[in-house]
Parts: sequence; C-alpha cells; structure tokens
Amino acid sequence: AQSVSQHNHHVILSEAASLELGCNYSYGGTVNLFWYVQYPGQHLQLLLKYFSGDPLVKGIKGFEAEFIKSKFSFNLRKPSVQWSDTAEYFCAVNTDNYGQNFVFGPGTRLSVLP
Amino acid sequence: DAGVIQSPRHEVTEMGQEVTLRCKPISGHDYLFWYRQTMMRGLELLIYFNNNVPIDDSGMPEDRFSAKMPNASFSTLKIQPSEPRDSAVYFCASSGDRGQLRHTEAFFGQGTRLTVV
Repeated sequence: AQSVSQHNHHVILSEAASLELGCNYSYGGTVNLFWYVQYPGQHLQLLLKYFSGDPLVKGIKGFEAEFIKSKFSFNLRKPSVQWSDTAEYFCAVNTDNYGQNFVFGPGTRLSVLP
Repeated sequence: DAGVIQSPRHEVTEMGQEVTLRCKPISGHDYLFWYRQTMMRGLELLIYFNNNVPIDDSGMPEDRFSAKMPNASFSTLKIQPSEPRDSAVYFCASSGDRGQLRHTEAFFGQGTRLTVV
C-alpha cells in the first residue's frame, strides 16, 4: 500500500522568507500527486496537482512543486511567504490503478511571523 | 456547483447517542470519501465509495461506525453508540468524472465538527 511522509511537523518562518516543504511517497507505479492547504478552522483546498507532463507544476497563490520520480518526492515551494500563508499543508497521492484511494501525509503546520 | 455539502456543521451529543453525518457530493463525481481529522491522528480515511459501492472500509475504526451511499447524490456516516473518543472533524470529499475515466483531485466539504460529551 502506498504511504506519504512529510519531513517537517511544524515550520516557523518570517514573512518574505522562502519556503520548501518536503513530501515523499512510497509506491513504485504511476502516481498522481497533490498539495492541499487547510487554513485554521477551514476545509482542505487544493493548491496544486500533478498528473503527467512537466514535473514542475504551478499552483495558486504563488506556490509550485516539483515531482522528482527518482526520489519519489514532490516538494512544495514558495519564494516569499506571507502571514496569510499560515496554515497546515498536506501532501497526497493516489495511484493509477483501480480505485482512487487518496492517501494523505500527516501534514506540516506552517506559521509565518509578521 | 455548490461543492461538497455536509450537514450538520457542528454536532454536540451525549455519549451513547446515535449520530448521523450527511454528505452531498459534487454532481457527476463517482467517488466519495469519508475522512476523520484529529490532532492526535491527523487525517484518516475511513471509507470510500465508487459508484455508490463501498470499495475500502478498512479505515472504519469499529463496528459502531457504518456508512451508506443509497444513491449518487447522498451518503451518510453513522456512529452508534457514540463515545467521547469519536470527537473529531469529519470530512466528506468527492472526486472523479463519471464515465470519463479521468482522474481529478478530491474536493472537500466544510466538515462536521462532532463533540461527544
């Protein structure tokens, strides 16, 4: 069964700092990859997704992620964070076999200090 | 589309009572998921359906939990009897594009915050 790990439990940054959140998955076949964001008290919303093609994908709010197949990684980046980026970030994977079983990582809490 | 709709948004109940959570997926989606989120355990997949059929219920914690999807536009998650440790936020999500064999992301509802006292 596939699993997803996220490198950091809690990241604290100052505004304008650069962000990189790590995500690794375990599955040898074709995968679809996602990053979701959950603002305090809200539901999960999609930031970006990768299905195929260019491994560097751009999402909303200036976020991007790079799929590196050889490393089973899908790290999330943003060059300059804002206070409003304070939230929890989840990496997720589903596989291209029968059944869309979205598996989520444990999440990384990002706190951006003004 | 209004998105995935869950009700109620908040539920407070006494231990031992039956609780029913409801979900209306996005029209045209053929996958529906129930997740539970807690501080201790994070986001856990409880069960998911494809074309109204339960595919994987291995995440359902115990027999007190049951889920149904009587038609393509409605699903319920029932806890009977409820216990304080069931307190969590329960999310419903849907995905897929019926008949198109095209993957999509999962779209989440606003969640139901359940408190069992």
